[in-house]
Amino acid sequence: QQQVKQSPQSLIVQKGGISIINCAYENTAFDYFPWYQQFPGKGPALLIAIRPDVSEKKEGRFTISFNKSAKQFSLHIMDSQPGDSATYFCAASKGGGADGLTFGKGTHLIIQP
Amino acid sequence: DGGITQSPKYLFRKEGQNVTLSCEQNLNHDAMYWYRQDPGQGLRLIYYSQIVNDFQKGDIAEGYSVSREKKESFPLTVTSAQKNPTAFYLCASRRLQGNYGYTFGSGTRLTVV
Repeated sequence: QQQVKQSPQSLIVQKGGISIINCAYENTAFDYFPWYQQFPGKGPALLIAIRPDVSEKKEGRFTISFNKSAKQFSLHIMDSQPGDSATYFCAASKGGGADGLTFGKGTHLIIQP
Repeated sequence: DGGITQSPKYLFRKEGQNVTLSCEQNLNHDAMYWYRQDPGQGLRLIYYSQIVNDFQKGDIAEGYSVSREKKESFPLTVTSAQKNPTAFYLCASRRLQGNYGYTFGSGTRLTVV
């Protein structure tokens, strides 16, 4: 049973455009929702995270939108740049997150110059 | 600089052999985790440990073993019982209190030859 579903699997966006990646979760006990960015051959790096008590969080060009009733959250990358080309993973955890993160399957993002 | 060191970066194993992947952190983090990443898949949790001398199975523990004799170290052994061990293995750590952020290492790519 896949607890975090991520879409799309791949995405091509023109430079300067908005990249949008969506995730849906099933477990209502999840209380922490991070996004990770991964470059080839490297480990994932935390990009931005949100808790269910807020509907939106913005850090620079990156924004998380969270819809608790729909059990969905999304990552928006404004003014997308070629350096943003990477694989992005959404994830979720519960109860303080000590027992690990549940990841989506990832989105391969390509920003075309 | 504080961080997580995984070694080796590349590892080749003959069928029927056990191999051990190293993970060391100098972040003074309490908890450590092992994830497996396959193409087109998210990261799947193998084992995790919240304190020394204690660890729990994740979603795909079969064919793997771990130990946690020191806070800084969490080696993963891929045994001959793991039927499909070729994958990218990632180690992560985090503090148990406060911020939920996970820090990942740069990974070990294991190939069965």
